[in-house]
Order: sequence, then structure tokens, then C-alpha cells
Amino acid sequence: DAKTTQPNSMESNEEEPVHLPCNHSTISGTDYIHWYRQLPSQGPEYVIHGLTSNVNNRMASLAIAEDRKSSTLILHRATLRDAAVYYCIRGDGSSNTGKLIFGQGTTLQVKP
Amino acid sequence: AAGVIQSPRHLIKEKRETATLKCYPIPRHDTVYWYQQGPGQDPQFLISFYEKMQSDKGSIPDRFSAQQFSDYHSELNMSSLELGDSALYFCASSLRLGGRLHEQYFGPGTRLTVT
Repeated sequence: DAKTTQPNSMESNEEEPVHLPCNHSTISGTDYIHWYRQLPSQGPEYVIHGLTSNVNNRMASLAIAEDRKSSTLILHRATLRDAAVYYCIRGDGSSNTGKLIFGQGTTLQVKP
Repeated sequence: AAGVIQSPRHLIKEKRETATLKCYPIPRHDTVYWYQQGPGQDPQFLISFYEKMQSDKGSIPDRFSAQQFSDYHSELNMSSLELGDSALYFCASSLRLGGRLHEQYFGPGTRLTVT
């Protein structure tokens, strides 16, 4: 049970911002929100994670709703190399083993 | 920077044969995870190890076993192979620091084909 809901697919134009939404309405207080992406023919790649506050790194930004029931991954300027499946994963804070339960993910297409 | 190494990259086996997949984590990483990704599917967690002890178990068939060795590399052993075992097998490693697990770094995967 992935416990997150994402749109199946999204499209973006190159060099424009992309907002990838994720719903995790049953999240508990200790569950982190992780984002990974998988480029074609490659293993998954870490993007960003957060708990309560918004987070920024060199790849993306993560905006977490105040009630933590949803979050949005923001790619500030999409490039063709950002075309991938993006997975929003709810970390199991109670078990703390770090396993990732991948759900359906959002397939992002970037148009030139 | 060193990445996760998996070997072999491709493996072809016949039904009922056995296969051994190897994973070499990033140096100083103490946790290893195994995932299986069938054709057109999302990765599924199989099993994980922390400091050479099994830490969690997912939907791993009884025909599969795994272990982490003293040098932290891990092996996934698969016996009585079935056609449905054909998949990409990813290994990932991470570091537990200050009681918190950090991000996972995935290897390139081993593509297993069972004929």
C-alpha cells in the first residue's frame, strides 16, 4: 500500500516550471515525504525529502501543506533530461527501516 | 564519486535454475536494500539489511534469500527460477547517521531473464 496518490502523467514545456502534486492524507506525524525519480533504463534517483517545512536543494523544491496531507515537488526550469517517472513516497516513521514503497508515480513529459 | 555497483548487469537463466545477484554499496554505507521491478511495473521492496542483519522484509518469495557480508556487500540468491522472476533487480545503499536513515542511492540494476 503506497499510501500516496499522484496523477498518472503530466506534460511541461522546456525551461518552464513544473509542479508535481502528491496527496498523502493518512500521513502520520513522523512520516517523511520522499521524492525519487526514475529516468528511462536507469535505477531510481533521490530528488528531495522533507517532514514539515518546505525544502530546497539543487535539484528541486518541496512544498508541504500545513496539514501535511499533500505536497508539491517543484522543478524550477524543466529540461529534457527531467523527463522521468516521479515517485512521491511516504516514509514509515514507525518502522524506521527506510524501505521505500513505490506507488504508481507521475510520468513527466517535457516538450522542447 | 563511487556509486552502487551491481553484478552481473544482465543474466539469462532457464526455469528451475538458480541465480546469484551481487551488490556493492557505496563505501561507508551500512544499509542495503533490494528491489524488484517487473516489466512496466514500479519497483517493489524485497528485503533490507543494516549492519549485516536483516532489518526489513517485503514481498520476497521463499525461494529467494539474501545476506549482507562483513564487507557490507550483499547477495540475493534466487532458486527454482520461474518465468515470472524475469525483472530488473535494483540494489540501493544508504547510511544511518544519528539514528536517521539518509537517502538511498540505487545501482544500475541487474536484468534477469528467465527462459
